[in-house]
Amino acid sequence: GNSVTQMEGPVTLSEEAFLTINCTYTATGYPSLFWYVQYPGEGLQLLLKATKADDKGSNKGFEATYRKETTSFHLEKGSVQVSDSAVYFCALRGNYGGATNKLIFGTGTLLAVQP
Amino acid sequence: DGGITQSPKYLFRKEGQNVTLSCEQNLNHDAMYWYRQDPGQGLRLIYYSQIVNDFQKGDIAEGYSVSREKKESFPLTVTSAQKNPTAFYLCASSISGDGGRNTIYFGEGSWLTVV
Repeated sequence: GNSVTQMEGPVTLSEEAFLTINCTYTATGYPSLFWYVQYPGEGLQLLLKATKADDKGSNKGFEATYRKETTSFHLEKGSVQVSDSAVYFCALRGNYGGATNKLIFGTGTLLAVQP
Repeated sequence: DGGITQSPKYLFRKEGQNVTLSCEQNLNHDAMYWYRQDPGQGLRLIYYSQIVNDFQKGDIAEGYSVSREKKESFPLTVTSAQKNPTAFYLCASSISGDGGRNTIYFGEGSWLTVV
């Protein structure tokens, strides 16, 4: 079945450092890929998404490229801020018809940015 | 403002009680979902509904029940049969159709604690 694997946390960085959070997936066909962010005590917010191979999703300085050849969707940001401290979830949805398009999540990666 | 409203934010349940978590959306979305999040883990799907008066079990439906009598409402009941209900519960919704490319949007979540 479909699954998502993302790097273990926590990731601790200094402000203005470069961020990479790795995400790989296993899926049949051509899923859509998502990154969600969760701030403490809150729900999930969509950060970015990509719906086909080689698409690049971007938002708030974060980027991720849908790489079908490596089945990856790594999240990157060139210069993190303290306000980026949160848990980041990689997720996929299969592009099938009907009720099988569940959102499947990785386990989440906690990012802590220090001033 | 359009969005997904969950209530209550915090709920305490005594052993043997049923409790109901409310979820209302004004996004005109056909599909609605309930997820459970345990500390340090990803999200797991409890139930989902693609259309009014229809719903399907997710991966961890045992001990839970739902109803979908109105398009905008998808309440979740945590029954006494759920042996480990303490968790963070997230309601979500999305447009149906277009395969899995549509984004799933989340509410702010409800914390349920057994006392």
